[in-house]
Amino acid sequence: NAGVTQTPKFQVLKTGQSMTLQCAQDMNHEYMSWYRQDPGMGLRLIHYSVGAGITDQGEVPNGYNVSRSTTEDFPLRLLSAAPSQTSVYFCASSYAAGLQPTDTQYFGPGTRLTVL
Amino acid sequence: LAKITQPISMDSYEGQEVNITCSHNNIATNDYITWYQQFPSQGPRFIIQGYKTKVTNEVASLFIPADRKSSTLSLPRVSLSDTAVYYCLVAIPRGATNKLIFGTGTLLAVQP
Repeated sequence: NAGVTQTPKFQVLKTGQSMTLQCAQDMNHEYMSWYRQDPGMGLRLIHYSVGAGITDQGEVPNGYNVSRSTTEDFPLRLLSAAPSQTSVYFCASSYAAGLQPTDTQYFGPGTRLTVL
Repeated sequence: LAKITQPISMDSYEGQEVNITCSHNNIATNDYITWYQQFPSQGPRFIIQGYKTKVTNEVASLFIPADRKSSTLSLPRVSLSDTAVYYCLVAIPRGATNKLIFGTGTLLAVQP
């Protein structure tokens, strides 16, 4: 049981490049989400998914796309990277969105992204 | 738009009790409120979760008033290793589902 895994751990992009941050979980969780954390700041919700085939926008969705073709995977795509997207990205998963006491969010180790 | 606010920072000394409050004015009525701890360069780590009144585990207590417009994390007898950022996490209703939003975070600095 690996929990929540994220790849890569570090990435440097040039402005305008695109890339996909990978997130996978092996706990059969329905709810998955992506957060970004800027230096010295809190965590802001980018996109989330309540199950395979269902995604929705969070607080700061612009510039990012997501899809959820399987329960296990929830990739985050940066369409055209900008310096403002320099941040640490965390993926998280849980059984559901806070409705049960077992809905603890499990977090991945994070991806540190720098856009030049 | 729901606003989830916390004090930016708090200072304490070892052995003291620390209470951190999170204000959330429009959360889902059927959700749980969760608190996390985060150290630099790490992901958030679960501390405690509750729905109403008071919940206690081996590391903290959580107080939630009847109107559920706030919650207070209580850390008894803090130590230097409790220096971290603490976040509340609440569910915001969005149609048939909820989305999970973090509070603004509180940096707790514990001094000897």
